[in-house]
Amino acid sequence: AQSVSQHNHHVILSEAASLELGCNYSYGGTVNLFWYVQYPGQHLQLLLKYFSGDPLVKGIKGFEAEFIKSKFSFNLRKPSVQWSDTAEYFCAVRVGSTLGRLYFGRGTQLTVWP
Amino acid sequence: DAEITQSPRHKITETGRQVTLACHQTWNHNNMFWYRQDLGHGLRLIHYSYGVQDTNKGEVSDGYSVSRSNTEDLPLTLESAASSQTSVYFCASSEGLGFEQFFGPGTRLTVL
Repeated sequence: AQSVSQHNHHVILSEAASLELGCNYSYGGTVNLFWYVQYPGQHLQLLLKYFSGDPLVKGIKGFEAEFIKSKFSFNLRKPSVQWSDTAEYFCAVRVGSTLGRLYFGRGTQLTVWP
Repeated sequence: DAEITQSPRHKITETGRQVTLACHQTWNHNNMFWYRQDLGHGLRLIHYSYGVQDTNKGEVSDGYSVSRSNTEDLPLTLESAASSQTSVYFCASSEGLGFEQFFGPGTRLTVL
């Protein structure tokens, strides 16, 4: 079965600190990769996605992620977090053979203190 | 603007009752999905559909069913609600295989 691992369940940072959230997946074939964010009480929103091309992708609100195929990883980064980044972050993978369904990681809760 | 809506937003029911959660999207997307979100588990796929009359089981489909009679709607039915089905349920849709999924606002279901 496919699996998506998010290493950190809860991350606590102060404003202006740098952020890196880890994501690893288990599938060795063609993948599409996503990071979604869920602000408190809201639905999931897409932060960024990787389909092909440049492995460094930029998303909304200053987030970026790097796809490293050899490490089966797609880590999310932001150089300077803000209090408004407090949310839960989900990594998701679509594998080539599964026609659109996503496999989600368990999520990482980010708390940013002002 | 196109959107995806879910109703009800909150539901409390009793064990053994049948419950139906509605999902409606106005994007005319072929693909629709139902997930449940539980603490420590992230989102897990319940059922999905790639078009009218098409339904498929996800990884946690036991006790749930869906039907797709038109493009816009994918209702999720809990045949006989159980306390283990207390969760937040999200519906999502996507235009095609190479596109992102858009999520609805969620339904918080409590089974007593």
